[in-house]
Amino acid sequence: DTAVSQTPKYLVTQMGNDKSIKCEQNLGHDTMYWYKQDSKKFLKIMFSYNNKELIINETVPNRFSPKSPDKAHLNLHINSLELGDSAVYFCASSQEPWTSVSEQFFGPGTRLTVL
Amino acid sequence: KQEVTQIPAALSVPEGENLVLNCSFTDSAIYNLQWFRQDPGKGLTSLLLIQSSQREQTSGRLNASLDKSSGRSTLYIAASQPGDSATYLCAVRDDKIIFGKGTRLHILP
Repeated sequence: DTAVSQTPKYLVTQMGNDKSIKCEQNLGHDTMYWYKQDSKKFLKIMFSYNNKELIINETVPNRFSPKSPDKAHLNLHINSLELGDSAVYFCASSQEPWTSVSEQFFGPGTRLTVL
Repeated sequence: KQEVTQIPAALSVPEGENLVLNCSFTDSAIYNLQWFRQDPGKGLTSLLLIQSSQREQTSGRLNASLDKSSGRSTLYIAASQPGDSATYLCAVRDDKIIFGKGTRLHILP
């Protein structure tokens, strides 16, 4: 029973394409996140949703658009993919929003390679 | 601007030894600090979460301490095992969530 799941695990695509990564959590949490881990393994938050509302939006190109159909799902859509978008993208969830003392649970990651 | 630093970047230790990993942060006004473990090609696993009002947390062979005034946290691993080999990340929450770059730990059998 995977707590936080992501699909696909690997994604290889050409520059200029549009792609989506899906995330689902079965923990009943109210808050979900997207992180990007670059080639140097540096992890940085991109977005956070609480009860389907966007509460964190870091400095991310507007080619990246998160979508939360319900509080158990937070998908990441990327338009016009660029070489620099190649990274591992992690989804995470927590019971409380980022301002509270709530543990985060991470998905296994999606390795995106843009050719 | 909050900065999180982890030193050393890499550490090799013989099996059975006790060890300490360090995490420092520049702004003490944090909500909490969390330690994670990341295995190669895998996601993050939360190890310990310390609230800003707490001094330490323990889980099995792991003990994490927090000294907000000095901007430091340590992760103590007792009786290290080869299975402890991984990258250990700390993250602080203030008005953002900031991760350190991690310490790559290798336990020598």
